[in-house]
Amino acid sequence: AAGVIQSPRHLIKEKRETATLKCYPIPRHDTVYWYQQGPGQDPQFLISFYEKMQSDKGSIPDRFSAQQFSDYHSELNMSSLELGDSALYFCASSRGGANEQFFGPGTRLTVL
Amino acid sequence: KQEVTQIPAALSVPEGENLVLNCSFTDSAIYNLQWFRQDPGKGLTSLLLIQSSQREQTSGRLNASLDKSSGRSTLYIAASQPGDSATYLCAVTSGGSGYSTLTFGKGTMLLVSP
Repeated sequence: AAGVIQSPRHLIKEKRETATLKCYPIPRHDTVYWYQQGPGQDPQFLISFYEKMQSDKGSIPDRFSAQQFSDYHSELNMSSLELGDSALYFCASSRGGANEQFFGPGTRLTVL
Repeated sequence: KQEVTQIPAALSVPEGENLVLNCSFTDSAIYNLQWFRQDPGKGLTSLLLIQSSQREQTSGRLNASLDKSSGRSTLYIAASQPGDSATYLCAVTSGGSGYSTLTFGKGTMLLVSP
C-alpha cells in the first residue's frame, strides 16, 4: 500500500539559510499535518491543512510557513534557520480530520 | 490544553513476558487515541487506533483499551519478543476547529532482552 512520502530524507543547512520540506500524502487523503520532533522529545504539532486550507495551527514559528497544493501535496518552508530548528520533521496524512493519521518517514534537518 | 502522560518512561523485560504500558490524558473530549511505535531515529508506525466510542482494539499480540471518562488507555503486549524493543507513543486527537491534531505523550522506551 502507498505510504506518505517525504523529501528530502536528510537536509543539512547553515544558520540563517532557508529550507523547503515536501510531503506527498497517501492517495485520496485530503488532510496533511506537520510535526516537529526534537532530540529526545515527543512530536509537536506545527500546522495542518484540509482541502488546501489551513485547518489548525500549533507551535509553528513565524519563520515557518506551509501550504497544501491542488494535488494535495504540502510544503513546509523554513527561513532564517536556527540551531534549535535541528529536528525530525514528520508529515502525516488522513482522510478527513479526526481520523487515523499515517506518518511519513520524516526529514532529518540539521542546522550547522 | 490537552496533556498526555505515559508511565513508565522505560521498561526492561525478558523475552516472553506479558507487559502493560499506560497512558493518561487530561481532557476526556477526545475523538480517538492512537498507539505508535518508533524505532531510534525512525518514523512513527501506527499500531492501533481506538475511536472515542470504542473500548478496545486488538491487533495480533497487541491489545489497547480506552476508558475515556477516566482519561486512560493501556497497551497490552503479549509474549514480548526482542523485536518489540522500541519507544511506544500514545497520542490523542482532540480539540481544534474540527480538523483535529495529535497530542503525544513522551513515550515508554521498551527493551526486551533475549
